[in-house]
Amino acid sequence: AQSVTQLDSQVPVFEEAPVELRCNYSSSVSVYLFWYVQYPNQGLQLLLKYLSGSTLVESINGFEAEFNKSQTSFHLRKPSVHISDTAEYFCAVRGSSNTGKLIFGQGTTLQVKP
Amino acid sequence: KAGVTQTPRYLIKTRGQQVTLSCSPISGHRSVSWYQQTPGQGLQFLFEYFSETQRNKGNFPGRFSGRQFSNSRSEMNVSTLELGDSALYLCASGEPGTDEAFFGQGTRLTVV
Repeated sequence: AQSVTQLDSQVPVFEEAPVELRCNYSSSVSVYLFWYVQYPNQGLQLLLKYLSGSTLVESINGFEAEFNKSQTSFHLRKPSVHISDTAEYFCAVRGSSNTGKLIFGQGTTLQVKP
Repeated sequence: KAGVTQTPRYLIKTRGQQVTLSCSPISGHRSVSWYQQTPGQGLQFLFEYFSETQRNKGNFPGRFSGRQFSNSRSEMNVSTLELGDSALYLCASGEPGTDEAFFGQGTRLTVV
């Protein structure tokens, strides 16, 4: 069985400041790791994913996440946030076997203030 | 390519009624998964269908059921609605090997 813990339910930050959203997971098997973003009244959009290979993955809008197997973490970071980054962020895991089932963390609300 | 389409977007039902939600996946995708999102429980996996067969099931009562048609469109049904079933129901489609789930905008169900 897998589980995901997002350590912060809300993260307030000023515009142009750096931010880190923390995610830890638990699994007895190899997993794929994902970060999704959800804007109000919308579905989920994939931000980035780790499947294998380089432990540092990046998105097109400046976010990055690093897979740390020893600490079972997949923290999301951005060096300088914008107002438009205000949203809810979900960390998720999926067993590397052929399944679409995702296990999500409880979510972190990122509030970017001007 | 059109995205994942969920209908209806909003729904209000009375306790005790039943409801059917629809999901049309991205063309070519054979996997469809359903999730329930509530403020208290977060995002919880309901079930996954692949090529018309249920492949995985979450921990929900038997009142929650689903099916998938030969064109990969999926429906989920909730019978004997309870107030606690009020939630955003999200559908995601995917294809083995792509490693990514594409989500629809969801159906907001309110049970009164």
